[in-house]
Amino acid sequence: AQSVTQLGSHVSVSEGALVLLRCNYSSSVPPYLFWYVQYPNQGLQLLLKYTSAATLVKGINGFEAEFKKSETSFHLTKPSAHMSDAAEYFCAVSDSRADGLTFGKGTHLIIQP
Amino acid sequence: IAGITQAPTSQILAAGRRMTLRCTQDMRHNAMYWYRQDLGLGLRLIHYSNTAGTTGKGEVPDGYSVSRANTDDFPLTLASAVPSQTSVYFCASRRLAATTGELFFGEGSRLTVL
Repeated sequence: AQSVTQLGSHVSVSEGALVLLRCNYSSSVPPYLFWYVQYPNQGLQLLLKYTSAATLVKGINGFEAEFKKSETSFHLTKPSAHMSDAAEYFCAVSDSRADGLTFGKGTHLIIQP
Repeated sequence: IAGITQAPTSQILAAGRRMTLRCTQDMRHNAMYWYRQDLGLGLRLIHYSNTAGTTGKGEVPDGYSVSRANTDDFPLTLASAVPSQTSVYFCASRRLAATTGELFFGEGSRLTVL
């Protein structure tokens, strides 16, 4: 069975500071990994995805994530936080056999002015 | 604009009542999914359908049923609602089941069961 662990239900950073949201996965076969963002009262929007091509994946809004197989991690980063980045972020995992995606519990990103 | 439409957006329901949440997509995706989102629990899969005419159970299927009569529609029914079914429900789809493709999500249906 596959699973996702997001470390930190809440992360607070200052505007302009580095954003780092942590995600570790468990999968018995090569995984496909995703980061989604959810703004208040909206659905989920794809930020980026890893599907076994380049290990460093660039997404929308300046976010990127690096797949590290040895650490079973897929952490999300952004060099400089903006107020508009305040949202809920979800890491998700799938494999070629899965029905749907398995989501982590989410990390609420707070941007301090 | 192509995408997923969910209805209603929000609903307050008395316990014991029957409720159907509607989901329609116009992307001709084969696979569709229903998730519920609860604070601190993330999103959990309720039911899914890999293609029209087939359905399957997800992680939390009890108290819910689905049907997939055609490609576009995937309604979720609560036969007799209970307060623990108070949640935000998201419908999602992707082009093919069990592939590397991402899911596309609707805007959600907020359900309160009293």
